Amino acid sequence: QPVLTQSPSASASLGASVKLTCTVSSGHRNYAVAWHQHLPEKGPRYLLQVKSDGSHRKGDGIPDRFSASSSGTERYLIISNVQSEDEADYYCQTWGTDIRVFGGGTKLTVL
Amino acid sequence: QLVESGGGLVHPGGSLRLSCAASGFHFFSTFDMHWVRQPIAKGLEWVSAFGAAGDSYYSASVKGRFTISRDDAANSLYLHMNDLRVGDTGIYFCSRGAPGPDNWHFDLWGRGTLVTVSS
Repeated sequence: QPVLTQSPSASASLGASVKLTCTVSSGHRNYAVAWHQHLPEKGPRYLLQVKSDGSHRKGDGIPDRFSASSSGTERYLIISNVQSEDEADYYCQTWGTDIRVFGGGTKLTVL
Repeated sequence: QLVESGGGLVHPGGSLRLSCAASGFHFFSTFDMHWVRQPIAKGLEWVSAFGAAGDSYYSASVKGRFTISRDDAANSLYLHMNDLRVGDTGIYFCSRGAPGPDNWHFDLWGRGTLVTVSS
């Protein structure tokens, strides 16, 4: 089954850009991942999916500030012009045989 | 939207049934539906799925104790939890699989319901 690895924390200044990383296990380097945002006291929200070739597709209503790319086993979520409301936990997610898999999540702090 | 209910406090070894009511979209029966949980101060963990084709799947940690079901006429998903353990404590989210070939990821989430297993 695939394993997704994320750094536990990241920070970005207001108005800056930040790139969050999700590393896919080497045996699953062609897997796409989805990124989900989880705000405190709310349900998660689907942001976008990104394939191994870097192509990505956003969910409905997701601001243009959110984009994605890929390199090897790494899948990135890129947030441009970071806003205070972007302070949240971010999870990458993929699939395995009869299961779904999450990364451990990255807590983004906006400075 | 997806709205979960049925959470609460239960003793170890006890049972609970969670419900998820879907609204605002058509053709509920054509979507895979999932339960995902978040233990307190931890990350998201996939629990179970009920596919549009009628198949069901479970994580290793709940297999044999939890049963997922759905009532398409009522646009509802359920999770029957038996032999609950302290480690099952957390917020349980209902989520929808994306349509078609993208059904490997979730595209709609509920706000969750809290399950607390404690003596």
